[in-house]
Amino acid sequence: DQQVKQNSPSLSVQEGRISILNCDYTNSMFDYFLWYKKYPAEGPTFLISISSIKDKNEDGRFTVFLNKSAKHLSLHIVPSQPGDSAVYFCAASGKAAGNKLTFGGGTRVLVKP
Amino acid sequence: GAVVSQHPSWVICKSGTSVKIECRSLDFQATTMFWYRQFPKQSLMLMATSNEGSKATYEQGVEKDKFLINHASLTLSTLTVTSAHPEDSSFYICSASPLQNIQYFGAGTRLSVL
Repeated sequence: DQQVKQNSPSLSVQEGRISILNCDYTNSMFDYFLWYKKYPAEGPTFLISISSIKDKNEDGRFTVFLNKSAKHLSLHIVPSQPGDSAVYFCAASGKAAGNKLTFGGGTRVLVKP
Repeated sequence: GAVVSQHPSWVICKSGTSVKIECRSLDFQATTMFWYRQFPKQSLMLMATSNEGSKATYEQGVEKDKFLINHASLTLSTLTVTSAHPEDSSFYICSASPLQNIQYFGAGTRLSVL
């Protein structure tokens, strides 16, 4: 049972435009959500996170939105840059999960110059 | 800050040998470290949770005698793949957690078993 899903395996966007990555979860016990960026043969790099008490968190070009009622979160990258080309994973955790992260399947983003 | 060092980055070994992978948090202490495995084009799968000074907690389906985890200090956890076989070939990634919910990841280790 996949508790965290990223339904879009890939996304292509023009440089300068907005990239929108989506993530859905099923476990209502999750109360903390994170986005990671990963290059091939490297470990994930933490990008941004959001607690369930908020519905938006912004850090530079990255903004994460959380819709608890829909069990949906999204990551907006604006403006997109070629260096943003990577695989993006959303992850969720909760106190009941003992600080363990459950990852989505990832979305491969390609930013075209 | 929040740097996690993982070593080696790539290892090739013969079938039947054991391989040790180290994970160090360089600028923070981590009571908890995690070990993941990633197959090509798939997500990260949690193998085990490593707690300093106590036994690791393994996820369902992960053989604890096959994947030995030691967390001897607040900055070091090791994963030993014992009697490695070709099906153990994979990308192994560790993470360290300085705060609840936040994990910082190492660069990963690519294991190739011949």
